[in-house]
Amino acid sequence: GQNIDQPTEMTATEGAIVQINCTYQTSGFNGLFWYQQHAGEAPTFLSYNVLDGLEEKGRFSSFLSRSKGYSYLLLKELQMKDSASYLCAVRDTHDMRFGAGTRLTVKP
Amino acid sequence: DTGVSQDPRHKITKRGQNVTFRCDPISEHNRLYWYRQTLGQGPEFLTYFQNEAQLEKSRLLSDRFSAERPKGSFSTLEIQRTEQGDSAMYLCASSLEVGTGQPQHFGDGTRLSIL
Repeated sequence: GQNIDQPTEMTATEGAIVQINCTYQTSGFNGLFWYQQHAGEAPTFLSYNVLDGLEEKGRFSSFLSRSKGYSYLLLKELQMKDSASYLCAVRDTHDMRFGAGTRLTVKP
Repeated sequence: DTGVSQDPRHKITKRGQNVTFRCDPISEHNRLYWYRQTLGQGPEFLTYFQNEAQLEKSRLLSDRFSAERPKGSFSTLEIQRTEQGDSAMYLCASSLEVGTGQPQHFGDGTRLSIL
């Protein structure tokens, strides 16, 4: 089975940097995804990691350490529109499991 | 718009009734997933299809739930004898076959409310 843990809530200031951590346990690892979900909307894809290291995509970066079962999502130059839930999801051999999500609030 | 579409967007029904939801995936995607999401939680996996074959179904899924994808295109999710605990957002997602690192693309969901 899979256990995926991430903080429930985080708060940060507009213009700042925030790091959202995710730890996981899985029987067969086949990639880790980060999704953004605004209230009442569908999740949208942000990033994908399958090898150790950092993937950068604009203001968002995601890091993976397979040996530690650990990932983080880094958001730079925070904007008010970044207030949302951020979901960590792990794909194993057959399907994908999501964490409960981290609700990020960006304050002025 | 060539994204994933779900119908209806909202469904309100009385306890004990049957409901059916439809999902039309992105046309070239051969994998289709159903999830259930409740407030404050991440999507919970229900089942998925590769083309018309249902490859996995969650062990937590009641026998009242059934899904089909008869022609490998659209899919339906049926819940029989609905219960109050079935109230949730039902999300459909599609992707290309696993191994390519392709993400799942989600529809806007069907919100089910059981009275």
